[in-house]
Amino acid sequence: DAGVIQSPRHEVTEMGQEVTLRCKPISGHDYLFWYRQTMMRGLELLIYFNNNVPIDDSGMPEDRFSAKMPNASFSTLKIQPSEPRDSAVYFCASSFAGGGGGETQYFGPGTRLLVL
Amino acid sequence: AQTVTQSQPEMSVQEAETVTLSCTYDTSESDYYLFWYKQPPSRQMILVIRQEAYKQQNATENRFSVNFQKAAKSFSLKISDSQLGDAAMYFCAYRTTYKYIFGTGTRLKVLA
Repeated sequence: DAGVIQSPRHEVTEMGQEVTLRCKPISGHDYLFWYRQTMMRGLELLIYFNNNVPIDDSGMPEDRFSAKMPNASFSTLKIQPSEPRDSAVYFCASSFAGGGGGETQYFGPGTRLLVL
Repeated sequence: AQTVTQSQPEMSVQEAETVTLSCTYDTSESDYYLFWYKQPPSRQMILVIRQEAYKQQNATENRFSVNFQKAAKSFSLKISDSQLGDAAMYFCAYRTTYKYIFGTGTRLKVLA
């Protein structure tokens, strides 16, 4: 398997623009997670899905952030409008509940977002 | 609420030596999983090792092993025969239901 795939790997945008981050989980995985990593706040869980349904979005910072998972192989995290404080590395991770391995999360390579 | 604490922001080790990274956690649950992830400069989060709380035997993966002390809520990572490629940020994580709680990380430097 190719692992978790994220795109783009790097994104530079200007304040006020819409940003869309994409994720393809590992085939067969039924959980998908979006994280944000910054120096100040470390690794934060934003939202997670089970079988394409959002389960917990309590980590989403504000209404400017939204996430969707239209099918088992694709998810998006959208920021509209973007602000400089959104600059961070955004990770997508997936896991399989029946894996017998403690539902290990496998991470994508991350998207480095810079909002000017 | 569960918390994960990594009290060592940075550690250094000589190549070929052994180093131990500390992690403590707080929980009222009895069944859970603990993980160590490695994040090299590429930023990719890589699973290093996993421990099931119900298992008394400490997990090992080649040069990596853990010292799991359930009563003390301690989960340290030992790296033996350290290599230059081990240089990275190391994160301890606790799994509750399907959510992970991560520590703040320990930066490991490997000196040649």
